[in-house]
Amino acid sequence: DTGVSQDPRHKITKRGQNVTFRCDPISEHNRLYWYRQTLGQGPEFLTYFQNEAQLEKSRLLSDRFSAERPKGSFSTLEIQRTEQGDSAMYLCASSQPGYGMYEQYFGPGTRLTVT
Amino acid sequence: AQSVTQLDSHVSVSEGTPVLLRCNYSSSYSPSLFWYVQHPNKGLQLLLKYTSAATLVKGINGFEAEFKKSETSFHLTKPSAHMSDAAEYFCVVSDQGGATNKLIFGTGTLLAVQP
Repeated sequence: DTGVSQDPRHKITKRGQNVTFRCDPISEHNRLYWYRQTLGQGPEFLTYFQNEAQLEKSRLLSDRFSAERPKGSFSTLEIQRTEQGDSAMYLCASSQPGYGMYEQYFGPGTRLTVT
Repeated sequence: AQSVTQLDSHVSVSEGTPVLLRCNYSSSYSPSLFWYVQHPNKGLQLLLKYTSAATLVKGINGFEAEFKKSETSFHLTKPSAHMSDAAEYFCVVSDQGGATNKLIFGTGTLLAVQP
């Protein structure tokens, strides 16, 4: 399967702990996005990478959040000192340059529960 | 700024009857519009996309949508609902105001299909 993959699929953590999620985009896609989806809502944009450069961050992304894409391939999203409000589904998406750049392909998501 | 409004949070139809999910958009640009579907515990799947070509767009699983600029609408239809269509549907616009092309999601419409 050459789709977008995310790991882990589920994460339960205690408040105050740090967590890290990984996303592997479709191999030829140079654009990578992170979104967050809370219960009953549509996904909201968090951050965007073009190759290894992080070009935009949403105001939703507090200082406790950091994302990297070190070699322009996979990406990680880290949340430090987790809070209960961080409980959500974290979605990764990728897209290709050129004609298809507006459509994004999503991974299955990482569901985070902060207790 | 771009935005989408999904006019119904829940729609219930009987199997074999037509489906209509309504979406209005707001955009300062010629928009790129999408419909995504999310089945329970599964990732977001692209149903169809409009990117300024034909105004009637055909997607997967028998769905189609018509772009109407005069009404700023992009409603999703299917002639005959199937039980497997039960899912949450998101109307989405691509933010073309910058280089990010991040997606802006509606709040979703939950489609129930009754036997």
